[in-house]
Amino acid sequence: QLQLQESGPGLVKPSETLSLTCTVSGGSISSSGYYWGWIRQPPGKGLEWIGSIYYSGTTYYNPSLKSRVTIFVDTSKNQFSLKLSSVTAADTAVYYCARHRDDFYFDNWGQGTLVTVSS
Amino acid sequence: EIVMTQSPATLSVSPGERATLSCRASQSVYGNLAWYQQKPGQAPRLLIYGASTRATGIPARFSGSGSGTEFTLTISSLQSEDFAVYYCQQYNKWPPTFGQGTNLEIK
Repeated sequence: QLQLQESGPGLVKPSETLSLTCTVSGGSISSSGYYWGWIRQPPGKGLEWIGSIYYSGTTYYNPSLKSRVTIFVDTSKNQFSLKLSSVTAADTAVYYCARHRDDFYFDNWGQGTLVTVSS
Repeated sequence: EIVMTQSPATLSVSPGERATLSCRASQSVYGNLAWYQQKPGQAPRLLIYGASTRATGIPARFSGSGSGTEFTLTISSLQSEDFAVYYCQQYNKWPPTFGQGTNLEIK
């Protein structure tokens, strides 16, 4: 059974870079036709897609965050990672990693990890 | 980007009754619409994709309909475990976008 697990610091200072990793188990991140994405949810609010990556390294970013986002993949570790630079309090959210096909609906999700931006 | 609007924001329904949730897109998304269920402290769970196709393991009491700009999620006979927040999401046009959610609560 496919499982995704987010990991990374739960507290980041303003203006610094948020870094998270998603570890995939029960399946290969290099499976053809599957993409791996990041979605966030501010406390008490809705969902926002951040970006996605294919195992080949091709990336897709939300234009609203594109200037600050980098997503990369490590197929040898079955992991993909998110970096979000110059964070502010508005970036405080639960960050989820998830899987999708080229249709961009998300069929498997990690449990999520809360990242708080505060000094 | 395409704006997804869900209504109502909160829906109060008694167990055993039918619930109807609505989702409207700011422009046509054809049938490229998904529904998710989210319970407190949990990740969203995919219920419906392609506007009307149930995801693996989703009970038949969940059904989706609609196309273009107007979509509906119907839960035919509410069970206690169905009370949650529901989100729609379009994936017709990039970037994929979500509605703000409907909170389905026990009446």
